Amino acid sequence: DTGVSQNPRHKITKRGQNVTFRCDPISEHNRLYWYRQTLGQGPEFLTYFQNEAQLEKSRLLSDRFSAERPKGSFSTLEIQRTEQGDSAMYLCASSLGDGRYNEQFFGPGTRLTVL
Amino acid sequence: AQRVTQPEKLLSVFKGAPVELKCNYSYSGSPELFWYVQYSRQRLQLLLRHISRESIKGFTADLNKGETSFHLKKPFAQEEDSAMYYCALLNSGGSNYKLTFGKGTLLTVNP
Repeated sequence: DTGVSQNPRHKITKRGQNVTFRCDPISEHNRLYWYRQTLGQGPEFLTYFQNEAQLEKSRLLSDRFSAERPKGSFSTLEIQRTEQGDSAMYLCASSLGDGRYNEQFFGPGTRLTVL
Repeated sequence: AQRVTQPEKLLSVFKGAPVELKCNYSYSGSPELFWYVQYSRQRLQLLLRHISRESIKGFTADLNKGETSFHLKKPFAQEEDSAMYYCALLNSGGSNYKLTFGKGTLLTVNP
């Protein structure tokens, strides 16, 4: 069991470019979360999927951000027209079931640097 | 709005000394609180949750609703406890179970 995986682990891009990150949750987990973490801060919630349905988006998620989870398996997070303020660690987490006591398991993150 | 405050960015203790990492929260509903830990070069992982009332790696945390606190304690710190610690509050409104994290406290246990 490799847990939650994320690719790529690091991404350096120029301002204005589009980037896409991938998250593979633990196989039986039906809930998938995206968080963003900037320097000196804790993770901040971005969006959440239950199976393939995106049920909530944070106000942090501008219209340049889009996330998908086709077939309720892996998820992608795309940032269009990147800005320097998008530089951060993007974390994915997954959990099993719909109970409130189910642990969220985190991936290693994708570190984005926008030049 | 819910909020988690960890007042100490850095905490340094000597091996064998007691350690307490502070966490205060603001939440209108019934709170569910967690401590997550991130060791160097490792991913974020759950350390303990208040509902389990368990001790993990010698750490305990008691929810104090009167003081809106959930401080993490260990009577005798070990060098391997050096890590980043995050307190987190679960937002269980509706069907969404997103976490709100504090800014974290970096614990260093010196030999």
